[in-house]
Amino acid sequence: EDQVTQSPEALRLQEGESSSLNCSYTVSGLRGLFWYRQDPGKGPEFLFTLYSAGEEKEKERLKATLTKKESFLHITAPKPEDSATYLCAVQDTQDSGYALNFGKGTSLLVTP
Amino acid sequence: ETGVTQSPTHLIKTRGQQVTLRCSSQSGHNTVSWYQQALGQGPQFIFQYYREEENGRGNFPPRFSGLQFPNYSSELNVNALELDDSALYLCASSPFGPVNTGELFFGEGSRLTVL
Repeated sequence: EDQVTQSPEALRLQEGESSSLNCSYTVSGLRGLFWYRQDPGKGPEFLFTLYSAGEEKEKERLKATLTKKESFLHITAPKPEDSATYLCAVQDTQDSGYALNFGKGTSLLVTP
Repeated sequence: ETGVTQSPTHLIKTRGQQVTLRCSSQSGHNTVSWYQQALGQGPQFIFQYYREEENGRGNFPPRFSGLQFPNYSSELNVNALELDDSALYLCASSPFGPVNTGELFFGEGSRLTVL
């Protein structure tokens, strides 16, 4: 059973068209939820950590929120340089604490 | 400050061969972990090293093994390569010790193709 499910798989936006990416998760207990950005041919780049329901983090045009079952990555007025794959990952309190369990990602394309 | 560097960037092997991938962690980072990312998938945890010892392992067979050296650099070795081992292998380092805070610094990966 997948611990992390991301939707949509792919999203195409016009520059300036705000939207949200979804990450739903199943864990025994949440140690942490993480968002990463991955550009083609590159390794993932850390964006945010969220620990508890109701928590929010912001960085430039990105805002991450967390509920007990899912997290959203809101993108406000995106620019073409925001095009990338956005990965969500969780750590389960039942695990050793060393592994990040990633979803398959949402591939975002922002066109001018 | 240099980031995480991996070598080689690309390589092609045949089924049954062995491969060694290398990683230099970011300066001051004492923990290194390895992930496998198949095409169209998210990264999958292979194992983590801290102070030259493996202290966490994902669901990978023993033919996946690793080393961490005193300078915190690391190697990933895969024996008896299978076609399904074709993937991007990512190394990630962290300065936070053995407990993974989730904030990892990834290299650009080594792209392995098994024919």
